Amino acid sequence: QVQLKQSGPGLVKPSQTLSLTCAISGDSISSNTAAWTWIRQSPSRGLEWLGRTYYRTTWYDDYAASLRSRITINPDTSKNQFSLQLNSVTPEDTAVYYCARELTATTKFDYWGLGTLVTVSS
Amino acid sequence: DIQLTQSPSSLSASVGDRVTVTCRASQTITKYLSWYQLKPGKAPKLLIYTVSNLQSGVPSRFSGSGSGTDFTLTISSLQPEDSATYYCQQSFSAPRTFGQGTKLEIK
Repeated sequence: QVQLKQSGPGLVKPSQTLSLTCAISGDSISSNTAAWTWIRQSPSRGLEWLGRTYYRTTWYDDYAASLRSRITINPDTSKNQFSLQLNSVTPEDTAVYYCARELTATTKFDYWGLGTLVTVSS
Repeated sequence: DIQLTQSPSSLSASVGDRVTVTCRASQTITKYLSWYQLKPGKAPKLLIYTVSNLQSGVPSRFSGSGSGTDFTLTISSLQPEDSATYYCQQSFSAPRTFGQGTKLEIK
């Protein structure tokens, strides 16, 4: 059974960096049949795919175009986890952030973290 | 980016009703369409993937259909625990995108 356990602060000041981590159990961050993804949900934007990291003989990542200048998703093979960093946050980045596994063959997000409410406020 | 438009944005139905939610894509996404159920305070739940495949453990009253650009989620006999918001999602291309959601209320 795959489990994704999220951690990170729930409050971030404007202009600072949002940092979250997703620890994986029951699968490997280096799996070549999965992509490890961050998604957020807010009342104004609904569900929004932020980006992903995945391994296919080398590491790849791709990001939502609207966030590309501010976002980084990194794998950590030593801890079997991946992280999200979002720079220069504004109140519009306030959302519930989820990590999820996307299976390559079926392209389904089959396992999700429980979500972290991140509020951007001074 | 591929846009997904869901309708209706909200609906209210009674236990036992048959409920249908539609999702229209801005271009063809062949079979790469999934449906998710969101409840407050819980992780999103995958219901249907590649249009019509029922995820393991999901009740058989949920079904999906469609192809190309037009897709449907059907709940054959609504149950109280189906009160939630439902989202469609395409994985035909990156970036993955979601519909705006359909909030389902039980009368």
